[in-house]
Amino acid sequence: QSVLTQPPSASGTPGQRVTISCSGSSSNIGSNTVNWYQQLPGTAPKLLIYSNNQRPSGVPDRFSGSKSGTSASLAISGLQSEDEADYYCAAWDDSLNVRYVFGTGTKVTVL
Amino acid sequence: EVQLVESGGGLVQPGRSLRLSCAASGFTFDDYAMHWVRQAPGKGLEWVSGISWNSGSIGYADSVKGRFTISRDNAKNSLYLQMNSLRAEDTALYYCAKDLSSTVVTPYYWGQGTLVTVSS
Repeated sequence: QSVLTQPPSASGTPGQRVTISCSGSSSNIGSNTVNWYQQLPGTAPKLLIYSNNQRPSGVPDRFSGSKSGTSASLAISGLQSEDEADYYCAAWDDSLNVRYVFGTGTKVTVL
Repeated sequence: EVQLVESGGGLVQPGRSLRLSCAASGFTFDDYAMHWVRQAPGKGLEWVSGISWNSGSIGYADSVKGRFTISRDNAKNSLYLQMNSLRAEDTALYYCAKDLSSTVVTPYYWGQGTLVTVSS
């Protein structure tokens, strides 16, 4: 079971802003940076945001990330139909066995 | 262009072994750490293991520790995952992923995956 909790679903109409939350603890988000991945249907995940708020080359600035305490969030502004996908947060967890943990995932639907 | 091509998946009986491979091209392989991440059918992502550029730092998920071994051959631009004592719950699509850096930090670019099915 994942140690990072996300809402199972989120939705919006084209052009709207959608925000996805990711809740963790002091051993993961509270002490490490957060990354976000996008997984389009039937494809491999793609890194969307790293180090809380950095975008890899090629990722539109409609995607933004933030972190506060033991929680993080991903915002998608100007929602587009091609943004319909599963989104996962991730972070290193420093508990007994250091490991990389993913969130439970959020399905974003464009209405 | 970065390419990661996984192979070695298939149907295997519980308790048996399987070795996955990942052939890398389009970048300087020994400059980057690498990861294996899996996704059970219809489920979320689970990090399996990561290895630094020189194999000096290796980590495993609790669920595979003691059963799986990650390794790399920089001369062959290849990453491997030796999976022993396989269980039904190891059934998943296994992705190979290139890190952002030489140390084990962030799975960045992913291959298309190879499917492992553990069943009698």
